[in-house]
Amino acid sequence: DAKTTQPTSMDCAEGRAANLPCNHSTISGNEYVYWYRQIHSQGPQYIIHGLKNNETNEMASLIITEDRKSSTLILPHATLRDTAVYYCIVRVYSGGGADGLTFGKGTHLIIQP
Amino acid sequence: NAGVTQTPKFRVLKTGQSMTLLCAQDMNHEYMYWYRQDPGMGLRLIHYSVGEGTTAKGEVPDGYNVSRLKKQNFLLGLESAAPSQTSVYFCASRSELSGAYGAKNIQYFGAGTRLSVL
Repeated sequence: DAKTTQPTSMDCAEGRAANLPCNHSTISGNEYVYWYRQIHSQGPQYIIHGLKNNETNEMASLIITEDRKSSTLILPHATLRDTAVYYCIVRVYSGGGADGLTFGKGTHLIIQP
Repeated sequence: NAGVTQTPKFRVLKTGQSMTLLCAQDMNHEYMYWYRQDPGMGLRLIHYSVGEGTTAKGEVPDGYNVSRLKKQNFLLGLESAAPSQTSVYFCASRSELSGAYGAKNIQYFGAGTRLSVL
């Protein structure tokens, strides 16, 4: 799996858009970009994923650069409940279930009131 | 719909004691996983299962055993607990209906078990 690089921490004001960057310069053509988050003392929660097109769901938007070497997770109107550690994961589907996710240290996003 | 349920939520063991952590999912998922998370670190895969009656080793399997006797349950056992196994343990599951190239490789996690080994 390609390695990912994320900032250790970020602050964002409540109600503003939170933009979380992720660098994955060694990503290969069949690797997807997944985003999960982990709120304090809870299990990780899936947010969104994409291959090369931008994606949007009810939680967030994912912007992937044309060369796919980086991406940005956007939380459009951050709330205090969005304070969490956000993980960017690059993963190829290997089949056979041997696809445990590799979590790095992620970005600790703190939403300020 | 409960999703993924882990029991117990907390446990304190003495070195050398044994225990079993239970993970139950009600989503009829084929694949199940056990991870551990240490302070300030991401999750690391211990063992996983691709279906009832199957298990396989992950990144950090030493000191743990697992069993998948029923599709909905995945058990993680510590035969002789050590202080190095103090951690938060997370179970996850996902459907085998993943589509091509991981299009729906989405894992659902339980709330975790906090284990301290003294």
